[in-house]
Formats: sequence, C-alpha cells, structure tokens
Amino acid sequence: QSALTQPASVSGSPGQSITISCTGTSSDIGTYNLVSWYQHKPGKAPKLMIYEVSKWPSGVSNRFSGSKSGNTASLTISGLQAEDEADYYCCSYGGSETPVVFGGGTKVTVL
Amino acid sequence: QVQLVQSGAEVKKPGASVKVSCKSSGYSFSSYSVSWVRRAPGQGLEWLGWINVYNGVTRYAQNLQDRVTMTTDTSTNTAYMELRSLRSDDTAVYFCARTTIFTYFDYWGQGTLVTVSS
Repeated sequence: QSALTQPASVSGSPGQSITISCTGTSSDIGTYNLVSWYQHKPGKAPKLMIYEVSKWPSGVSNRFSGSKSGNTASLTISGLQAEDEADYYCCSYGGSETPVVFGGGTKVTVL
Repeated sequence: QVQLVQSGAEVKKPGASVKVSCKSSGYSFSSYSVSWVRRAPGQGLEWLGWINVYNGVTRYAQNLQDRVTMTTDTSTNTAYMELRSLRSDDTAVYFCARTTIFTYFDYWGQGTLVTVSS
C-alpha cells in the first residue's frame, strides 16, 4: 500500500480542467512543502512536472499547476490535451525515517 | 545537457544478483544525489534509495535495505545499483534519477528492464 493516496483514475474531455488529489499525513505533506509530481508514459522515463508544491521546471507547460492544503496536495491540468494522457504520481519528503514517499499513481484519460 | 544513460536489459534467475549502471553527463556529478526508482508491471513508482555522491552516504527503502547496495564511481560519473537474492516480484523497470537536496527527481535515466524468471 502506497504511503500517499491518489485516485486510481481521472478523465476529462479536451479543453477541460481536471484535478488529481494526493492525500498524505502530518508526517509528510502536512509538514513539508516538498511535494513533487511526475508524469509517466509507457516506455518513457518519468518526467518532473511540479516541484516544491507549485513550482514549474523549465520547459513544463503552465497548464499544469500544483497546490497544497493541510495533508492534501493537488495537481490541476487545465486545457486538457490528448498528449496529457499518462500516469501521474505525487511524491513527498517524509522525514528522516522515510525520506521519499510516492502516491499509488493516477491514470489520466482524455476522452 | 544533463543526461543519465543506463545499462541494458537483464534477465536473471531467482536468487541471483543484478547490477545496473547509470552514467551521468552534463552537470557536476558530485553536486547531486542519485536515486533509484522502479516500476513493476501493473504497479506504481517505488523509491529504492539514494546515494549522496559527494560523501557516499546512502539511504535505502526499509523493505530493501538488506538486499540493495548503491555505489558511485566519480572517475567515470557512474552510479550503480546492485540488488541481491532476486525474486520474481523484483521484475521491473529500474530508473536512476538525479536528486536535488529538496528531494525531487529532475532528470531520469531511460530505464533498465530487469526480468527475474526461472
């Protein structure tokens, strides 16, 4: 069982916005602003989409945005496009005992 | 540009060991840690551990710490991950990733498929 909880799947039509939630605890997301999000497509390396809750790496579209409230982080994809279809994973620093915790992943489908 | 290039696919029998390499270029190798992450068929991403390249300090996931060893060779800018006593559920694609001090993974290798089968 993953340490962070994500919905198994989220879908939307092209142009719509979708939000993926990522629920942790006060030991990880609730304490540290060190949440990152990764996009993973079959046969490819995962790609960093958001780091430190809401920052964009160079080259990542601003259609992707991140936020956090309490123990839950969220990734919003605006203006959904076919190329956004992928698995998305949240990740958080979990403290000295468990430095890295991943969510179970969310499959995004563009209808 | 930053690149991490991993070694090729491996097929191993249960109980054997595997060592995957990850050669880095385009940045100061000793200024970052290197993490290893795997994705088994039908499963999500799993963090295996990391190594601080500067001082060699490692941190492993609790469920693997008895079977995994991460090392680096700073003369060739290469990181290695060795997994011992392989089981069928170790079958996965293994990724290396450059890791910042804020524990996010900004560049990834292309992945190495390790298949464990008798």
